[in-house]
Amino acid sequence: DIQMTQSPSSVSASVGDRVTITCRASQGISTWLAWYQQKPGKAPKVLISAVFTLQSGVPPRFSGSGSGTDFTLTISSLQPEDFATYYCQQTKSFPPTFGQGTKVEIK
Amino acid sequence: QLQLQESGPGLVKPSETLSLNCSVSGDSISSGNYYWGWIRQPPGKGLEWIGSIYYSGSTYYNPSLKSRVTISVDTSKTQFSLKLSSVTATDTAVYYCARQNLRGVGGYYFDYWGQGTLVTVS
Repeated sequence: DIQMTQSPSSVSASVGDRVTITCRASQGISTWLAWYQQKPGKAPKVLISAVFTLQSGVPPRFSGSGSGTDFTLTISSLQPEDFATYYCQQTKSFPPTFGQGTKVEIK
Repeated sequence: QLQLQESGPGLVKPSETLSLNCSVSGDSISSGNYYWGWIRQPPGKGLEWIGSIYYSGSTYYNPSLKSRVTISVDTSKTQFSLKLSSVTATDTAVYYCARQNLRGVGGYYFDYWGQGTLVTVS
């Protein structure tokens, strides 16, 4: 199985801050990576597929980058509705595996 | 608009079988354009993929759960189901059903999710 490791596990930030979350795969996955946002009590919502392709309706302040084993999700200017937990997922092969999550908290 | 809805008992006794259904509306399971999967999330923890099924009945299971999991599809009823046998307290989680993209573009990501249902083993 491909293991996904996210860092940090949590980050405290203020509205307007730039936030970067990192995801590392245990083996190369090219650009087979997705990012999700999950708010308390809600199902995850896919933000980005194929490393940098924003899903419909996702604000452009979200962006993704990377390839191979190292990836990042960047929120360019944090908004109040962005406080949530974010997960990466490798989409290359079965079993699909998720990172452990990064909680973005209000500073 | 695609909608998925989980249903099933919220409480299951240890050693028994957890059974959940996922009803799909707004898309056809039989279209063959997607997989249909189950993911779970223990309270306060991360996401764990359980397994997925194609409309033809082909299944893919998490190796860590494979011996206890059965996923089936009923295309006529536009639903798919999960059975997890011999449950213990560690199977307590919110269970989600979701539509899973084919590998073609973007890979095996999950684009639509049900709201989730909490199943407690006690």
